[in-house]
Amino acid sequence: GQQLNQSPQSMFIQEGEDVSMNCTSSSIFNTWLWYKQEPGEGPVLLIALYKAGELTSNGRLTAQFGITRKDSFLNISASIPSDVGIYFCAGQPSNTGKLIFGQGTTLQVKP
Amino acid sequence: ETGVTQSPTHLIKTRGQQVTLRCSSQSGHNTVSWYQQALGQGPQFIFQYYREEENGRGNFPPRFSGLQFPNYSSELNVNALELDDSALYLCASSLGGGRVYEQYFGPGTRLTVT
Repeated sequence: GQQLNQSPQSMFIQEGEDVSMNCTSSSIFNTWLWYKQEPGEGPVLLIALYKAGELTSNGRLTAQFGITRKDSFLNISASIPSDVGIYFCAGQPSNTGKLIFGQGTTLQVKP
Repeated sequence: ETGVTQSPTHLIKTRGQQVTLRCSSQSGHNTVSWYQQALGQGPQFIFQYYREEENGRGNFPPRFSGLQFPNYSSELNVNALELDDSALYLCASSLGGGRVYEQYFGPGTRLTVT
């Protein structure tokens, strides 16, 4: 079945540093979404991308929909302690309502 | 605006039993999707309901079934529980039409099967 490869698996960074993570697929997706999940909670939608090449920002977060439609990137600038959590990419195959999720990137920020 | 709510928060069941989980969608949303999230993994799509009809299903056996009600709330039923069914069950709601892909999640129900 379709799978998303998300990397890195985990990151431990210093407060103030920038963070980059990415997601790749063997299949084309129509939509890419990025979520953040904290312990004991459901995933929270951060950014949604709808067009190949699209670059969208949400505060210190910036995400891009790859031009091949098989990848997406998320960048976090000037990280702060509350950025800690697990970040998931999710892709939507064509003509379906389901989302396929990556394995997640665990981010830890040292004050 | 009320977000997605789920009940119960936690549940412990014995192998072979049946369980029903409930979800209330965000105000104005007519589409509900259910996901299973095993520990350390990303959510896996179970199925989606749109206007009370199943609108897509993932790779889960028939003992996973669902309902959507006229007020767009939903239930997930799992029969003949197995140990591997232990997971966080997430419900997500969304608007139909062009923005169906922006799914908003509830806090989940933690199911433990012993």
